[in-house]
Amino acid sequence: DIVLTQTPLSSPVTLGQPASISCRSSQSLLHSDGNTYLSWLQQRPGQPPRLLIYKISNRFSGVPDRFSGSGAGTDFTLKISRVEAEDVGVYYCTQATQLWTFGQGTKLEIK
Amino acid sequence: QVQLQESGPGLVKPSETLSLTCTVSGSSISNYYWSWIRQPPGKRLEWIGYIYSSGSANYNPSLKSRVTISLDTFKKQFSLQLSSVTAADTAVYYCARLQGPTLAFAFDVWGQGTMVTVSS
Repeated sequence: DIVLTQTPLSSPVTLGQPASISCRSSQSLLHSDGNTYLSWLQQRPGQPPRLLIYKISNRFSGVPDRFSGSGAGTDFTLKISRVEAEDVGVYYCTQATQLWTFGQGTKLEIK
Repeated sequence: QVQLQESGPGLVKPSETLSLTCTVSGSSISNYYWSWIRQPPGKRLEWIGYIYSSGSANYNPSLKSRVTISLDTFKKQFSLQLSSVTAADTAVYYCARLQGPTLAFAFDVWGQGTMVTVSS
């Protein structure tokens, strides 16, 4: 199984400041078809997960442009340029290169 | 607006079969992969399996011997059966729509989730 490890596990951030979450994979997520199937989910309190980013850096429909994704191979990052109150929740990276697995989640909270 | 809604018992006895149904609204069943994902308390999300609109299914190898996912296209429902449950199967169970290559096999729509507890 591909294991995804996120850091930090908890991230207190001041409103209006940037935030960054790292996701490291136990093996390369580059698929034999040339694509890298890494996406990011957001789970607000009391809500199901919501797709934010797919294929490393593509924002899903309706996702604000303050969210961006980057990375390659085994190291990926989700960045929020200016954190807003509605961004509070847990963020998960997930891979679809070899079946599907998820990171353990990073809790974003406001200082 | 696409919506998924899970339904089924919230309590299942050990060694019995867990059965859940997901009802789809606002979306065609065709050309999508319909999935089940769970999250045990305090643990990470775990993919259980999917069924494609054609009826072909794929399961997590760690659960394969106990899982069956089926599809009722007419009712726009898909179902999960997990046999021989133990306390380790206690979790929030989500149904989700899995997009194909156009969205890089990402889960783009999720149900609200339903808590299932395995206990006598």
